Amino acid sequence: GAVVSQHPSWVICKSGTSVKIECRSLDFQATTMFWYRQFPKQSLMLMATSNEGSKATYEQGVEKDKFLINHASLTLSTLTVTSAHPEDSSFYICSATSGTRSNEQFFGPGTRLTVL
Amino acid sequence: DAKTTQPPSMDCAEGRAANLPCNHSTISGNEYVYWYRQIHSQGPQYIIHGLKNNETNEMASLIITEDRKSSTLILPHATLRDTAVYYCIVNARGSTLGRLYFGRGTQLTVWP
Repeated sequence: GAVVSQHPSWVICKSGTSVKIECRSLDFQATTMFWYRQFPKQSLMLMATSNEGSKATYEQGVEKDKFLINHASLTLSTLTVTSAHPEDSSFYICSATSGTRSNEQFFGPGTRLTVL
Repeated sequence: DAKTTQPPSMDCAEGRAANLPCNHSTISGNEYVYWYRQIHSQGPQYIIHGLKNNETNEMASLIITEDRKSSTLILPHATLRDTAVYYCIVNARGSTLGRLYFGRGTQLTVWP
């Protein structure tokens, strides 16, 4: 149990376009979801926290207008990278917690974004 | 900000125990020690967590010093599939909405 999926697993887009990444909890209700970004050979960096039905909380230095997060249901959160540029190319990873197993965060497999 | 310090890399022979240290000298009384690992190009995987007592599960054992300023993750019989980056994280359960701040972790390489 406690599976988190992401779609797509990889995406290539042109500079200036927007890209949407989905994060789904498959077998549990995720009260909170998190979005991370990871550049090559670096650690994961927390971008934002989202709770179902409320606005996301962004970490310092993360542009909320560029990285739009929507958590419309207890099983789905989306991250939209607006007007993507090559420097946004990265590995984006989501995670989720449930009320019953709040000591664990379950991570998705990640989405590789390449902006040309 | 990550509040932990780990060696950047370690290696271990297959079948032997891998002991991964972590320093968290500024840990607060309500903060737990969590361990995750990340195999290349995958999402992190939860391993174990603890507060002050030693913990064991099917994956690993966690030894926390009495003063809680450091801990060791033990993989009792390392396999090639255990090659990964291992992250030690301190986090207060129930506070800060469970945000995890990852440090650089330890790259564990298990060799045949």
